[in-house]
Amino acid sequence: KAGVTQTPRYLIKTRGQQVTLSCSPISGHRSVSWYQQTPGQGLQFLFEYFSETQRNKGNFPGRFSGRQFSNSRSEMNVSTLELGDSALYLCASSKTDAPTGELFFGEGSRLTVL
Amino acid sequence: AQSVTQLGSHVSVSEGALVLLRCNYSSSVPPYLFWYVQYPNQGLQLLLKYTTGATLVKGINGFEAEFKKSETSFHLTKPSAHMSDAAEYFCAVTSTMTTDSWGKLQFGAGTQVVVTP
Repeated sequence: KAGVTQTPRYLIKTRGQQVTLSCSPISGHRSVSWYQQTPGQGLQFLFEYFSETQRNKGNFPGRFSGRQFSNSRSEMNVSTLELGDSALYLCASSKTDAPTGELFFGEGSRLTVL
Repeated sequence: AQSVTQLGSHVSVSEGALVLLRCNYSSSVPPYLFWYVQYPNQGLQLLLKYTTGATLVKGINGFEAEFKKSETSFHLTKPSAHMSDAAEYFCAVTSTMTTDSWGKLQFGAGTQVVVTP
């Protein structure tokens, strides 16, 4: 059974650009969450989607957005990139509809902003 | 609001020795608790979780953790460290009772484990 797949794994952007990251959840999982991981702030929750609807959102500026498609695949977008957006972006999927369903993480997309 | 405190950002342990990683949580409602491990350049892998029931939880790779409500703790242990246990470990908490929990885990800062021969 394939795990959570994130693309691209690595990317480099410059300030002011925008970036789109993609996540394919485990087959049958309908909940997709996104996290930002940095050395300074650790793991921080960005948002969660279920059946194409954003159900939960963390404390990030509006430059961070996401969406989910009918096949449960998800994308997140960061516009007007800042140096501080350099991070590992992790996607996680969950099988259950319950708030406390176990999260299965992908390997992440490492974004470097120059 | 919920929070997690992991005591010790770095832990060094000898191969074959006990691994003990400390986690204390704060939650106003009954928590669900998790331990995840992250190897270099990889995502997070679930080691074990506490939801309800037995307070001693066994996970993968020989790890276990005990939920102690009175101490608000969920420490992770492994009797005998192996070189392959070198990684970063994260304790996490979520609420059992609010929809604000959807997809959201509150993680601790992590503990980097180094295993020496």
